[in-house]
Amino acid sequence: NAGVTQTPKFQVLKTGQSMTLQCAQDMNHEYMSWYRQDPGMGLRLIHYSVGAGITDQGEVPNGYNVSRSTTEDFPLRLLSAAPSQTSVYFCASSYGASGAYEQYFGPGTRLTVT
Amino acid sequence: ILNVEQSPQSLHVQEGDSTNFTCSFPSSNFYALHWYRWETAKSPEALFVMTLNGDEKKKGRISATLNTKEGYSYLYIKGSQPEDSATYLCAFNTGGFKTIFGAGTRLFVKA
Repeated sequence: NAGVTQTPKFQVLKTGQSMTLQCAQDMNHEYMSWYRQDPGMGLRLIHYSVGAGITDQGEVPNGYNVSRSTTEDFPLRLLSAAPSQTSVYFCASSYGASGAYEQYFGPGTRLTVT
Repeated sequence: ILNVEQSPQSLHVQEGDSTNFTCSFPSSNFYALHWYRWETAKSPEALFVMTLNGDEKKKGRISATLNTKEGYSYLYIKGSQPEDSATYLCAFNTGGFKTIFGAGTRLFVKA
């Protein structure tokens, strides 16, 4: 099993550009989520999905869109990049949507917006 | 707004020292408390999940306890080794689909 994979590993964008961060998991997990990690702060939830076709907002959803057309894939779209979106982005998945399941994290995408 | 506090922010110990850190969370609407270990340049990996007041979990030299009534959890490392150097995250869940992470305690173990 590859687990949770993310691409790209690094990305530099100019303000106003758009892009999609890819996330895939091969564990048939029901729950998937996107977090951003900024210095001195905990992982903050951007969006999550409890199954194909079902997504919802987390703590910091503004400026991001998600979709979940398959169980395996959960891409994160930046609509119009801003310097405040410079961060490290982690995708995670868990077997169930209950908060008692451990989450498996991808390797992260380091995004810089200039 | 739910808040999860971890202390200390960072900790430097010598190889062989035992150490512990604290995670504080709201005592109302508790469902689950997670501990993750995050090594530099890697992804967070789950250590423990605890759901009942008084739960104690152990994995090798690392153990954790949970007090849901007063809203805290302790993580203990016995006989720290350099390979224990990492950031230790706790995460709190109220039973919904959102898990709130603390900022972590960064542990440095000097050989």
